[in-house]
Amino acid sequence: GQQVMQIPQYQHVQEGEDFTTYCNSSTTLSNIQWYKQRPGGHPVFLIQLVKSGEVKKQKRLTFQFGEAKKNSSLHITATQTTDVGTYFCAGNFYNQGGKLIFGQGTELSVKP
Amino acid sequence: DAGVIQSPRHEVTEMGQEVTLRCKPISGHNSLFWYRQTMMRGLELLIYFNNNVPIDDSGMPEDRFSAKMPNASFSTLKIQPSEPRDSAVYFCASSPGQGISTDTQYFGPGTRLTVL
Repeated sequence: GQQVMQIPQYQHVQEGEDFTTYCNSSTTLSNIQWYKQRPGGHPVFLIQLVKSGEVKKQKRLTFQFGEAKKNSSLHITATQTTDVGTYFCAGNFYNQGGKLIFGQGTELSVKP
Repeated sequence: DAGVIQSPRHEVTEMGQEVTLRCKPISGHNSLFWYRQTMMRGLELLIYFNNNVPIDDSGMPEDRFSAKMPNASFSTLKIQPSEPRDSAVYFCASSPGQGISTDTQYFGPGTRLTVL
């Protein structure tokens, strides 16, 4: 079936260091969404990328969508303890309507 | 806006018992999704509805699981009989559109199910 692979599974950083998580699909995506789940919480929508090569920024977060629309990344500059949580990418494949396929997530821990 | 409401928030039951999870989507949203989250398998889509009609139930693990959406403001996920391997957090999510690909999904707080 269609899958979205996400790496790394865990990332431990010192506060102030940068962090990046990557998503890959073997099939071209219609769009990709990113969600954040705080410990004990539920996934919360961060952003959606639709266009090939698209780059979007939210303060210290930078999201990219690959030219072939098969990969995406989330980069956090100068992490803070409030960034702790699990970051999920979720791919939407063509002709799948509103169905999202979630990656396994990257759990980020930040040491103060 | 109250957001997606799920009940109960926690459920502990014994193997073989019937479990019913409930969800109230955001008012006006047309699509509803049921997910299961475990450490081993991550976040899995079980089933989703559009305008109260089941569109894709390919993620439902087996016949012990069933889901209904009798109206636009209520859905249930039932497990009968429950097994220890069903222990997980079950999320309900809703989205505003007609199941289109660019919809954002809004997740409820989840139900943590433990089957002993």
